Amino acid sequence: QKEVEQDPGPLSVPEGAIVSLNCTYSNSAFQYFMWYRQYSRKGPELLMYTYSSGNKEDGRFTAQVDKSSKYISLFIRDSQPSDSATYLCAMSAYSGAGSYQLTFGKGTKLSVIP
Amino acid sequence: DAGVTQSPTHLIKTRGQHVTLRCSPISGHKSVSWYQQVLGQGPQFIFQYYEKEERGRGNFPDRFSARQFPNYSSELNVNALLLGDSALYLCASSLAHRGNSPLHFGNGTRLTVT
Repeated sequence: QKEVEQDPGPLSVPEGAIVSLNCTYSNSAFQYFMWYRQYSRKGPELLMYTYSSGNKEDGRFTAQVDKSSKYISLFIRDSQPSDSATYLCAMSAYSGAGSYQLTFGKGTKLSVIP
Repeated sequence: DAGVTQSPTHLIKTRGQHVTLRCSPISGHKSVSWYQQVLGQGPQFIFQYYEKEERGRGNFPDRFSARQFPNYSSELNVNALLLGDSALYLCASSLAHRGNSPLHFGNGTRLTVT
């Protein structure tokens, strides 16, 4: 079992739809949870960063963390064609010598159709 | 403000050769991390450096090495290249090496080994 599981999709939705992206994890030591967006031929761009269980909202994006279920989600409201990208979940735990390394999911490829 | 910059953007090498990839962090960021992203996968942790010291190393062979300079820029070196080293190599910077210091990625160096 991989430490972080993420459905690679692809996921195709009409413009204006609400998008739900999810990841599950097995390592209870994970403390910090992130969502990155990656456009083709670009590096990952940080979208959301959370520490505790609960919801965090930023514009059209809401990140949700449920540590008891080891489950994180990203919701995108009023999706736009410009949201078409690969979305990567990432999480970190202390790995010794003062280091926190990120463990990523495979990424979900999202297409928003006009 | 300039983000994380990486050079070169693309590189083609032959099996057995050596390669050096370069990274300049965001101004004020003292920690640099390197990740390898194979097509269709999420990035995998290679190294983290903070204040010129190695703080973490992922599960990569000794052919991979890195260093951080006094100006916080960094180099990733890979010796005796294998076909399987073909990937997007991402550099990320953060203010510190702690978990509450999120990573910001550059656009990567795409390495092709033939």
